Amino acid sequence: DGGITQSPKYLFRKEGQNVTLSCEQNLNHDAMYWYRQDPGQGLRLIYYSQIVNDFQKGDIAEGYSVSREKKESFPLTVTSAQKNPTAFYLCASSTTGGSGSEQYFGPGTRLTVT
Amino acid sequence: AQSVSQHNHHVILSEAASLELGCNYSYGGTVNLFWYVQYPGQHLQLLLKYFSGDPLVKGIKGFEAEFIKSKFSFNLRKPSVQWSDTAEYFCADMVYGNNRLAFGKGNQVVVIP
Repeated sequence: DGGITQSPKYLFRKEGQNVTLSCEQNLNHDAMYWYRQDPGQGLRLIYYSQIVNDFQKGDIAEGYSVSREKKESFPLTVTSAQKNPTAFYLCASSTTGGSGSEQYFGPGTRLTVT
Repeated sequence: AQSVSQHNHHVILSEAASLELGCNYSYGGTVNLFWYVQYPGQHLQLLLKYFSGDPLVKGIKGFEAEFIKSKFSFNLRKPSVQWSDTAEYFCADMVYGNNRLAFGKGNQVVVIP
């Protein structure tokens, strides 16, 4: 089945530790995205990548880092510099065909930092 | 920056009632508008989208949305809701010049049996 996988589903970390969230897609999409979802805030874009070895900051990139070494993979690292890291993180992918290109979402990772 | 506004974050209604969720977008150029739904414990999935043509768009599960350019609106409707429509609904607009999406804050809809 084609789709997006994110692992793990739940993740717990101590404050001050970096943590990496996995996102893999087998849809052959060029573009991938990371969002953060908080209650009442909608989805806010952290980073996105439209091609391998290139990525851009989204609206709330501070305290996060990404890499895009392979087309199918776009891992997100939540660093200790992120002031409020506890959230639900969603990964998505899409074609870069322009009009009507919908994004496909993974199941999400719920990160809790204590 | 492009933005999307959704009103009435929490909506509670009874089965068989009609549902309308408002969405206003800010960009006045070429539009690519989406409604996504997130059922409890499930992936965010596409309900419907509009980028050209008939401004009345039909989506999955009996939902439809109307694009009104003069009002910068893309409201979602369903004539008769079911308990299974309990979910969070997000409106989104594709940012001009790239494939980014600007999302609204969402509507949490609860349908009471």
